[in-house]
Amino acid sequence: GAVVSQHPSRVICKSGTSVKIECRSLDFQATTMFWYRQFPKQSLMLMATSNEGSKATYEQGVEKDKFLINHASLTLSTLTVTSAHPEDSSFYICSASLAGRYNEQFFGPGTRLTVL
Amino acid sequence: AQSVTQLGSHVSVSEGALVLLRCNYSSSVPPYLFWYVQYPNQGLQLLLKYTSAATLVKGINGFEAEFKKSETSFHLTKPSAHMSDAAEYFCAVTPSGGYQKVTFGTGTKLQVIP
Repeated sequence: GAVVSQHPSRVICKSGTSVKIECRSLDFQATTMFWYRQFPKQSLMLMATSNEGSKATYEQGVEKDKFLINHASLTLSTLTVTSAHPEDSSFYICSASLAGRYNEQFFGPGTRLTVL
Repeated sequence: AQSVTQLGSHVSVSEGALVLLRCNYSSSVPPYLFWYVQYPNQGLQLLLKYTSAATLVKGINGFEAEFKKSETSFHLTKPSAHMSDAAEYFCAVTPSGGYQKVTFGTGTKLQVIP
């Protein structure tokens, strides 16, 4: 149980385009989903927290107009990187939990974004 | 405020040898502590967690960790390393209750030498 999927696993796009990444909880209803960014050989940095049906809460320094997060259902959250630039290239990981319980997060396999 | 320090970004052990990955934490309130493992190009998998119950926590794949409040440590150990243990390991902390942001350490890459 507690499986989280991400799609796509890898994506390459041109600078200036937008990319959407999906995060799904496959066998449970995730009230809260989290989006992390991981730079090479570094730790995970929380970008934002989203609760189903409400606006995401972004961490300080994360541009909410650039990283659009939608959590329209209890099993799906999406992260859209708008007008992508090479510096947005990174590994993006989502996680899901019940009712904001940070200590019970289930992580997706991650999405490798490369912006040319 | 909370933080986690992982000593040693790279640790190498021989197959069959003891694995010891160090983690020290700082937290202004009683913490919850976690160890996660990450294989290349994959997400994180929870190895074990301390949530104020027993101080010696047993996890998956033969790993265990001991919460030592006096030393503010939560080191991860495994008696005998296996080749499949080669991965990146992250220690993480959050205030007890689990409803606040988790702070991750910078990770320790474990290499297992045959």
